Amino acid sequence: DIQMTQSPSSLSASVGDRVTITCRASQDISNYLAWFQQKPGKAPKSLIYAASNLHNGVPSKFSGSGSGTDFTLTISSLQPEDFATFYCQQYNNYPYTFGQGTKLEI
Amino acid sequence: QVQLQESGPGLVKPSGTLSLTCAVSGGSISSPNWWIWVRQTPGKGLEWIGEIYLSGSTNYNPSLKSRVTISLDKSKNQFSLKFTSVTAADTAVYYCARHVSVSGKGIDYWGQGILVTVSS
Repeated sequence: DIQMTQSPSSLSASVGDRVTITCRASQDISNYLAWFQQKPGKAPKSLIYAASNLHNGVPSKFSGSGSGTDFTLTISSLQPEDFATFYCQQYNNYPYTFGQGTKLEI
Repeated sequence: QVQLQESGPGLVKPSGTLSLTCAVSGGSISSPNWWIWVRQTPGKGLEWIGEIYLSGSTNYNPSLKSRVTISLDKSKNQFSLKFTSVTAADTAVYYCARHVSVSGKGIDYWGQGILVTVSS
């Protein structure tokens, strides 16, 4: 299985800040990388697909980049509603696998 | 707007069978997408269980494959998960979702999730 490693595991930031979360794959996954946001007690919400493309309705404050094994999710101008846990997922090789999550806290 | 809704028992006895259904609304299950199941536990995080295509073709996580069956019911616009020989380690929130196969779009819609506890 491909291992997905996110860093950091947790991150403290303030309203208005810009933050970056990193996801590293244990082998080349091309650009088949997705990012999700999850709030407590809720289902994950799809943010980004194919490493850098926003799903419909996702604000442009979220951006993704990378290919191969190294990827980043950047969130600009943090607002209170942005604080959540973020996960990456590779869907290049079966079984599809997720990172362990990055908790973004105020 | 596609919506998915999981249903099924919230409590299953050890060694029993966990059966869940995902009802799809706002879209056809016969569209060219993969319909998937994912579970989440505090210990293992998010785990991809498997998927089914409109043709009935399936892919499963090898670590779970011997115990999992995913099926499609086009007449009811829903798909199902069957998990046999469950143990406490299968206690989790189970999500159904849609994985778009074109344009590398991946998962776009998720169900709200259903907590299943394995306990006697």
